[in-house]
Amino acid sequence: EAQVTQNPRYLITVTGKKLTVTCSQNMNHEYMSWYRQDPGLGLRQIYYSMNVEVTDKGDVPEGYKVSRKEKRNFPLILESPSPNQTSLYFCASSSDRDNSPLHFGNGTRLTVT
Amino acid sequence: GENVEQHPSTLSVQEGDSAVIKCTYSDSASNYFPWYKQELGKGPQLIIDIRSNVGEKKDQRIAVTLNKTAKHFSLHITETQPEDSAVYFCAASITNDYKLSFGAGTTVTVRA
Repeated sequence: EAQVTQNPRYLITVTGKKLTVTCSQNMNHEYMSWYRQDPGLGLRQIYYSMNVEVTDKGDVPEGYKVSRKEKRNFPLILESPSPNQTSLYFCASSSDRDNSPLHFGNGTRLTVT
Repeated sequence: GENVEQHPSTLSVQEGDSAVIKCTYSDSASNYFPWYKQELGKGPQLIIDIRSNVGEKKDQRIAVTLNKTAKHFSLHITETQPEDSAVYFCAASITNDYKLSFGAGTTVTVRA
């Protein structure tokens, strides 16, 4: 089954403790992206990747890192999480840049205390 | 950058009635306008999209209209059913641009 898999689904952590949210897709998609969803703000892009070893900032990249060492994986790294990063995070992928539909994972609910 | 505004934020309709969600965008260069549906506990899923060379597009009970001059586009759901209850997001982007800007979302509730 074609899918984008995020792990974990739920994560509670404390300020400053490094964490990684994994994202994997099995559709051989070139493009992958991370979004955060907050009430009243919709989905905001954090980082995106056009292919292996190619990443760029989205609208809200501060406090986040990403890497794209393999085509299928695109982990999101919070080196020193803060409470304002409490949010619902989504990973997405698509086949190419010409407005192909984004395929989203089921989300990771992160709480930073 | 692109700014997409979406209204209303919540919408409650009687089963069988129509629902309309409206979005405006700021960047006249935007030419691709998708709509995503997010069910509880899941990620958004594309339901319909429209490109700027088309004024209207239909797919069964859903339709999208685009007014490039006014820079607004709308989602229409006819004969609403309980399974239409979800959060709907509009978005806008430029072809070959990786930045898809989303609206804030509309929570649609269909009353039985």
